[in-house]
Amino acid sequence: DTVMTQSPLSLPVTPGESASISCRSSQSLLHSNGYNYLDWYVQKPGQSPQLLIYFASIRASGVPDRFSGSGSGTDFTLKISRVEAEDVGLYYCMQALHVPPAFGQGTKVEIK
Amino acid sequence: QLQLRESGPRLVKPSETLSLTCTVSGDSMRSSTGTWGWIRQPPGKGLEWIGSIHNDGTTYHNPSLQSRVNMFIDTSKNHFFLNLSSLTATDTAFYYCGRHSIWVGMTDYWSQGSLVTVSS
Repeated sequence: DTVMTQSPLSLPVTPGESASISCRSSQSLLHSNGYNYLDWYVQKPGQSPQLLIYFASIRASGVPDRFSGSGSGTDFTLKISRVEAEDVGLYYCMQALHVPPAFGQGTKVEIK
Repeated sequence: QLQLRESGPRLVKPSETLSLTCTVSGDSMRSSTGTWGWIRQPPGKGLEWIGSIHNDGTTYHNPSLQSRVNMFIDTSKNHFFLNLSSLTATDTAFYYCGRHSIWVGMTDYWSQGSLVTVSS
């Protein structure tokens, strides 16, 4: 199975500053079609997960441009520019190329 | 706006089978080109993909659960279903259903989630 490893697992951030989360896959997520099958989700307290990014770098509908995804192959990054209080939550990466799809452990973003 | 709602028992006994239904509203399931999936999350823990099903009935299972999972779909009624057998306490979790827009990824719609407790 593909193993997804996120770091850090806890990320205290000052509002207005930027934050970055790393996600590493044990196998390449690059499909022959040129897309990396890597999603990012956020789960806010008491809510279901919400899609932020798919294909490693494409923002989902309605997601602010403060959120950006990058990377290819096995190494990926989610960046949140100008963190706001509403960004608090658990952030997960997920690979969707190999069965079974697998999530990272989650990174808890909190406000300092 | 697509909406998904899962329904089923909230308390199940060990060794029994959990049966969940996901009802899709807001559009016909037949309009989707992706798959429909089940994901669970033990309280305070991370997310685990259970399996997904295509409109044509093709299923994809998590190998760790495969022998206990059965999924089926009724696109005419906008429902899809999960059966998970031989339950133990480790199956206690929030269960979500969702729509994957790209095969088993890009889960752009999620249900609210329901806590299912396995206990005698």
